[in-house]
Order: sequence, then structure tokens, then C-alpha cells
Amino acid sequence: QVQLQESGPGLVKPSQTLSLTCTVSGGSISSGGYFWSWVRQHPGKGLEWIGYIYSSGNTYYNPSLKSRVTISADTSKNQFSLKLTSVTVADTAVYYCARDVSSALSRWFDPWGQGTLVTVSS
Amino acid sequence: DIHMTQSPSSLSASVGDRVTITCQASQDISNYLNWYQQKPGKAPKLLIYDASNLQTGVPSRFSGSASGTDFTFTIISLQPEDIATYYCQQYDNLPQTFGQGTTLEIK
Repeated sequence: QVQLQESGPGLVKPSQTLSLTCTVSGGSISSGGYFWSWVRQHPGKGLEWIGYIYSSGNTYYNPSLKSRVTISADTSKNQFSLKLTSVTVADTAVYYCARDVSSALSRWFDPWGQGTLVTVSS
Repeated sequence: DIHMTQSPSSLSASVGDRVTITCQASQDISNYLNWYQQKPGKAPKLLIYDASNLQTGVPSRFSGSASGTDFTFTIISLQPEDIATYYCQQYDNLPQTFGQGTTLEIK
């Protein structure tokens, strides 16, 4: 079964770049039909979808973050990554990676990584 | 963006109660709506997809339905392990968006 695991620094200084990696096991990120997404959750708040990368390498970013986000993939390591530039305290959140399953009429996030808390603070 | 209005924001119920959560979309999203359960400190878990389809392995006490832009999530007999926050999510249009969540507590 597919499993996802986030990794990266838990503390980032304001104005710097947040970088996280999601390692996928039990399946290939190159498999068609799947998008690979990042979702974040501000402390005590709801869920915000950040964007995805498709197996072809195509990406889509939430317009609210588009100017600061890059999602990339390393198929040799079966990983995909998130970079968020010019972070502020408002970017403090738990960051989840998730497989974004898409078929002709259906779409959902499953499974999810366990999540990693990133705190933006000097 | 499509805005999802979820209500109530919190709910307290007794074991065995029937619990209902609603989600209203700001525009027509057909049945392109999912429901997730998130327990404290854990990642969300898919329960219902396409508004009314139960994900494999999810207990049958959970169900979902749709009527126009209004969506309903129901637990027919609340169990102690159902304590969690529940989110709806639309995928009709990008960006995909979530409701603000409903936190369920046991009385």
C-alpha cells in the first residue's frame, strides 16, 4: 500500500524559503492517474490546498500562493518537493503531502502523509 | 474560488445519537464533494467520495447525500471513536477547497 512521509526543517526564518520533501513508498509517482499534492493546515484551523504535480511533471498551484510556490519531483528517488519562498509567520502550519487520486468523474486525497509542523520564526 | 460553508462549526452529541453536518457550496459543484475525518494530531482520512460513496473499509454508520448545492454528512449512531473534526472538500473547480470543519464532541 502507498505511504507518504514528509521531511524537512521544522523551523524557518522569516523571508527565507520553506523546503519540504515527500517520500512515497509502495507505489511510483510516475504512475499515471495520480496527482501529488501539498495541503497545509494553520494551527487550529482548516485545510488549504497548495498545489499538485502530475506524473507528467505538469503543476498547478493555488492562485493564493502561486507567486511563491514551486512543486517539483525527483522520480529517481520517488519523491516530490515543495518550496515556498519569502515566508512569514502566516506560513506557520502543518504541511501534508497527499496522493490526489483522479478518475473520469471522481477525485480525492488518499493517502496522506502524517504531516510536519513548520514554524516561521526568527 | 468555490467557497464551502460548513455547519455547525462544533457539535456535542451522545453515544448512539444521529449526527448531521451540512456543507453548502457557493455554486453548483454537481456531486464533486468528499468528506474527511481528522482526529487530533493525525492526517485527514477519506470517508465519503462523490458526495455519497463510502470509501472502502469505512463503517456503514457514515453516509453522505446531496441536494443541489447542499450536502449532508450523517453518522447514524455516534460512537466514541467518531470524535474528530470533519471536513467537506469540493473538487469541481481548481483550486480544490475545504469547508472550515465541524468539531464533534461527546456529551
